[in-house]
Amino acid sequence: EVQLVESGGGLVQPGGSLRLSCAASGFTVSSNYMSWVRQAPGKGLEWVSVIYSGGSTYYADSVKGRFTISRDNSKNTLYLQMNSLRAEDTAVYYCARDMADWGQGTLVTVSS
Amino acid sequence: SYELTQPSSVSVSPGQTARITCSGDVLAKKYARWFQQKPGQAPVLVIYKDSERPSGIPERFSGSSSGTTVTLTISGAQVEDEADYYCYSAADNNVVFGGGTKLTVL
Repeated sequence: EVQLVESGGGLVQPGGSLRLSCAASGFTVSSNYMSWVRQAPGKGLEWVSVIYSGGSTYYADSVKGRFTISRDNSKNTLYLQMNSLRAEDTAVYYCARDMADWGQGTLVTVSS
Repeated sequence: SYELTQPSSVSVSPGQTARITCSGDVLAKKYARWFQQKPGQAPVLVIYKDSERPSGIPERFSGSSSGTTVTLTISGAQVEDEADYYCYSAADNNVVFGGGTKLTVL
């Protein structure tokens, strides 16, 4: 059974950093394309980043240069390093496998 | 970058057919997916490749495509189908979601 469990969310001040994790089970992270998608409170879904099986990575313009997606094959875990955080980054962050299976999300709040 | 346009809301009575449209230039060359999201829950894939239904999704959910528009159809909508629905597509490493449609079944 495919399972995705996000963690690492929390309250951070503007300009701060946070690293989100997405622990996967039931499949191999490196064999699929893995994405991060976020949802601001009361708003719609917004794609954030993707890493393909070959290692190529892509980002939404809104996070380019500030966020970094990566994976640890030995831990079968996906990450999202978020730097220079802004209030508008406040959202629930979901990880997804092949944009088909999703985790339950982790809340990131950027506020002073 | 691409854009996908959905109506903000659709309302039907139980047992009626609900149709939610999604329009965008990218849909002329790339497949669409549809996600269902209920309050406080993660999105669930209900349609992929415009019209394919994942296992476990009820048969009343179907999808179709014509030109730059895709349509999610729920035949005989149930109260439990009340949710937000998002279309999605990707091309040239541009990934886009529609703004979402709130389906009310009452």
